[in-house]
Amino acid sequence: GAGVSQSPRYKVTKRGQDVALRCDPISGHVSLYWYRQALGQGPEFLTYFNYEAQQDKSGLPNDRFSAERPEGSISTLTIQRTEQRDSAMYRCASRQNSGTGLSGANVLTFGAGSRLTVL
Amino acid sequence: GDSVTQMEGPVTLSEEAFLTINCTYTATGYPSLFWYVQYPGEGLQLLLKATKADDKGSNKGFEATYRKETTSFHLEKGSVQVSDSAVYFCALSPSGYSTLTFGKGTMLLVSP
Repeated sequence: GAGVSQSPRYKVTKRGQDVALRCDPISGHVSLYWYRQALGQGPEFLTYFNYEAQQDKSGLPNDRFSAERPEGSISTLTIQRTEQRDSAMYRCASRQNSGTGLSGANVLTFGAGSRLTVL
Repeated sequence: GDSVTQMEGPVTLSEEAFLTINCTYTATGYPSLFWYVQYPGEGLQLLLKATKADDKGSNKGFEATYRKETTSFHLEKGSVQVSDSAVYFCALSPSGYSTLTFGKGTMLLVSP
């Protein structure tokens, strides 16, 4: 697609429920990233993929968080047994592996985010 | 570990005023440096970048120069507009890596 698409845009859930957040990257972008942004803070890295391979998951806060990208395109971030402290904006970004300038190889393009509220 | 420190906001300016938002970083080697902007209700957008020392990134009237000696990447604009009101994030990616480390963001409010 033309941009990075995330769904749902807003999710309200009760503590203890599982949630799945979806990211559809820009067509042809090899790398996909997940970030979490708390209110008033900058985005914090969670994990990233090259194609379908999860390259780095060092930012996932605990084992309730997991992510997959089975076919190297769409990715799902899953949070099990949600807690109130999981409430945040979850942002996905994708990156192409070539090019220069503001759309070049080391530039991440972000989606609008999924705002999760855990009651 | 790597880190980015930005001046706290909000920064409140009148239209046509000069803007500076300070950003300093801590990193090993030679990271790439970025400024992202988040307009109200929208996602993060790349504003400008610089990949090596003394490079100047520029876009939409904004500029920032990669200063290795002071580990800084301050954002400047000569004459701000109301439409520049947004949250600005400074970020770095370590040399050879693509993941970004962000600062906390600085809110800019421009009044007519």
